[in-house]
Amino acid sequence: GNSVTQMEGPVTLSEEAFLTINCTYTATGYPSLFWYVQYPGEGLQLLLKATKADDKGSNKGFEATYRKETTSFHLEKGSVQVSDSAVYFCALSVKIIQGAQKLVFGQGTRLTINP
Amino acid sequence: DAGVTQSPTHLIKTRGQHVTLRCSPISGHKSVSWYQQVLGQGPQFIFQYYEKEERGRGNFPDRFSARQFPNYSSELNVNALLLGDSALYLCASSFWVDNGYTFGSGTRLTVV
Repeated sequence: GNSVTQMEGPVTLSEEAFLTINCTYTATGYPSLFWYVQYPGEGLQLLLKATKADDKGSNKGFEATYRKETTSFHLEKGSVQVSDSAVYFCALSVKIIQGAQKLVFGQGTRLTINP
Repeated sequence: DAGVTQSPTHLIKTRGQHVTLRCSPISGHKSVSWYQQVLGQGPQFIFQYYEKEERGRGNFPDRFSARQFPNYSSELNVNALLLGDSALYLCASSFWVDNGYTFGSGTRLTVV
């Protein structure tokens, strides 16, 4: 089946630390991969995406590379800020039928950055 | 431009009652999807609609139903509410069915 496994949280870091949140997936075919971020009391915001193997998605200093050989899409940031505190979700897209698609999400990783 | 708007933002219902949640997609977006996010978990797919037709359904009981209107807005209906239906219900819109999902802020449903 199709599934996403994320690094368990919570993750607590100091400001300016290096961040890695691990994400591995199981899927048939070659799905697109996404990272979404959810701030307290809000919906999901797309952070970055990659649509094929070896693609690197990047946004706001965050990066993730689509690794087909290791079925991974780890999220990294070189220097985190307090404002990065949120819950991060890794997701993949799955074709349901022709002309329909759904997102399959991991369980989320709560990140807290201390000043 | 307005993003995806959902109403109401919060709702409290009693077990056995019925609830209707509403979603207005981004202007020009023709596809609407619904997700359920139970506290502490990732969102789970409920439905996808495109051009007023159901295109996909997740593993949810028949108590859950939805529809899409000619203006592409959508309603999610849940009958015979159970305590386990308490969750954040998210609506996502996209121009086509397979790209660029934008999520709303959700409706938080509490069943007591």
